[in-house]
Amino acid sequence: SYELTQPPSVSVSPGQTARITCSGDALPKQYAYWYQQKPGQAPVLVIYKDSERPSGIPERFSGSSSGTTVTLTISGVQAEDEADYYCQSADSSGTYMVFGGGTKLTVL
Amino acid sequence: EVQLVESGGGLIQPGGSLRLSCAASGFTVSSNYMSWVRQAPGKGLEWVSVIYSGGSTYYADSVKGRFTISRDNSKNTLYLQMNSLRAEDTAVYYCARDRYSGYDFGYWGQGTLVTVSS
Repeated sequence: SYELTQPPSVSVSPGQTARITCSGDALPKQYAYWYQQKPGQAPVLVIYKDSERPSGIPERFSGSSSGTTVTLTISGVQAEDEADYYCQSADSSGTYMVFGGGTKLTVL
Repeated sequence: EVQLVESGGGLIQPGGSLRLSCAASGFTVSSNYMSWVRQAPGKGLEWVSVIYSGGSTYYADSVKGRFTISRDNSKNTLYLQMNSLRAEDTAVYYCARDRYSGYDFGYWGQGTLVTVSS
């Protein structure tokens, strides 16, 4: 079955830039989506279609794509950005959805 | 305003059955892609199933043949019938709706906890 691979953890100091990667063979063909999840809460969509930002999401959140890897970038990280982040996409047929394993962002 | 409210979770013995409901408001369930996503305690998100606006349904391999997704247009409600439940099905189950592209989960419910244990 299709898999998306993320690093388990990323740590940054406040004000620095955090980059979280997600790799998958079908990413050149399928859009990627990114979600932020804080403890005890439902996930929140922060990036859609690789690089689009939903209304209400701060400008410091951005997304990019290159080949089989997509990247979520958080510029000027704030303490409130500490959370788990998940990438999501579809398999090459566009039939089955899949999530990456998640990345825990720690703000030092 | 889009709202999704799940119900039906609880404690169930292995091998048992449970039906989850997701009551929708602010939109029409039959006009959107509706999915179930689950999260085992302390684990990541796992996509479970989707029902497309046209009625096609798809399932993750882990639940295929045991779970059935459906909708009741008159009640504007999404369902997940779960049979032959296993301990590894223990999770918070979220219903989710697309918002931008059909493949995203732009709207989420608050989740309902299913615990499979003897």
